[in-house]
Amino acid sequence: GESVGLHLPTLSVQEGDNSIINCAYSNSASDYFIWYKQESGKGPQFIIDIRSNMDKRQGQRVTVLLNKTVKHLSLQIAATQPGDSAVYFCAENLGDSWGKLQFGAGTQVVVTP
Amino acid sequence: ETGVTQSPTHLIKTRGQQVTLRCSSQSGHNTVSWYQQALGQGPQFIFQYYREEENGRGNFPPRFSGLQFPNYSSELNVNALELDDSALYLCARSHGPGNSSDEQFFGPGTRLTVL
Repeated sequence: GESVGLHLPTLSVQEGDNSIINCAYSNSASDYFIWYKQESGKGPQFIIDIRSNMDKRQGQRVTVLLNKTVKHLSLQIAATQPGDSAVYFCAENLGDSWGKLQFGAGTQVVVTP
Repeated sequence: ETGVTQSPTHLIKTRGQQVTLRCSSQSGHNTVSWYQQALGQGPQFIFQYYREEENGRGNFPPRFSGLQFPNYSSELNVNALELDDSALYLCARSHGPGNSSDEQFFGPGTRLTVL
């Protein structure tokens, strides 16, 4: 079936280094992708999104890259900070309607001093 | 802050019981989606409501039902609770079709434990 998944369940990063979180998707019809950050005890928090007509989008300290050829999505966090420690999810819009998201399993990012 | 609130924050029920979870937000969010997040997993789409009508459902049985009210608040009802229903239930609001932003605003969730 069609799915969204992450390559790495846990990512340990030293403070100040850059983080890269990867995600694979299989639905070639997906036209919208989002990265969420979820801290313990909280709901997912929107980080950045990208539409399928784009390859790259930058935000504050974050960059999302979309490679439609290999159906791959990545989130880059520059100068990772302790506050970036959380679980990160990629999600794709299911395409048949608005705002129905399919999430991957998540990557736990641990920032070490 | 997303402006989305959910109640209660925590809830303990026993198998076979029924539960109602609530979600509210600032006006303008006319689309509400509900998700179930089991421990250690990503959220799974349950269903969506737009203008008080169900607008799509994920792979969940009919004992999961919902309502959306004119004031944009919403309820998720689960009948005949099973142990596997233990999860964090998330409500997400968005501006709905026709809006320039697809962004979903998630509430903090309701942690349901079924014993």
